[in-house]
Amino acid sequence: DAKTTQPNSMESNEEEPVHLPCNHSTISGTDYIHWYRQLPSQGPEYVIHGLTSNVNNRMASLAIAEDRKSSTLILHRATLRDAAVYYCILMPYSGTYKYIFGTGTRLKVLA
Amino acid sequence: DGGITQSPKYLFRKEGQNVTLSCEQNLNHDAMYWYRQDPGQGLRLIYYSQIVNDFQKGDIAEGYSVSREKKESFPLTVTSAQKNPTAFYLCASSKPGTGLNSPLHFGNGTRLTVT
Repeated sequence: DAKTTQPNSMESNEEEPVHLPCNHSTISGTDYIHWYRQLPSQGPEYVIHGLTSNVNNRMASLAIAEDRKSSTLILHRATLRDAAVYYCILMPYSGTYKYIFGTGTRLKVLA
Repeated sequence: DGGITQSPKYLFRKEGQNVTLSCEQNLNHDAMYWYRQDPGQGLRLIYYSQIVNDFQKGDIAEGYSVSREKKESFPLTVTSAQKNPTAFYLCASSKPGTGLNSPLHFGNGTRLTVT
């Protein structure tokens, strides 16, 4: 099962960009890269996903390395409401529903 | 608005009692999942269901049981055989008809405390 590796924690100042890294060196060709975030005592919330090309949506941007062995979630201007645990997971196009969630990165945003 | 409803938000039980956690979705999703989260840990898969009347064990199914009699509902029973049932339980759904990469939608969880 494909796994991801993320730093345990990161800090950012409010209004500044945040780059959250994720390593997935065992990624296969059909694995999509998904990002979710979890606020305290809530369920995770979908943020963004991609396969090969960089992706943008209203919440964030996803930059995927050319070899796909790593990716970076970019929050363009961090706010206090972005303080959460961010999970990077691999979701294959087919074959298994057993997605592996690691411990994620706890993002602290400083006012 | 469509979404996933988990109830209750907090649940307290005595050791040795079975307890059932509710999960309902109105997103018309085919797949549903149950995850367990312990403090400071990631999510671990308990059971998942791809379609009605079918479900599969996840990584930590021992001591748990599920049913999927309706598309909208996927209740989880925590039995007395589960050695450490106190945890935060999360239900999720997805619509994998367009590929298993479709995003997961989560409920807001049930925090179970067993004493």
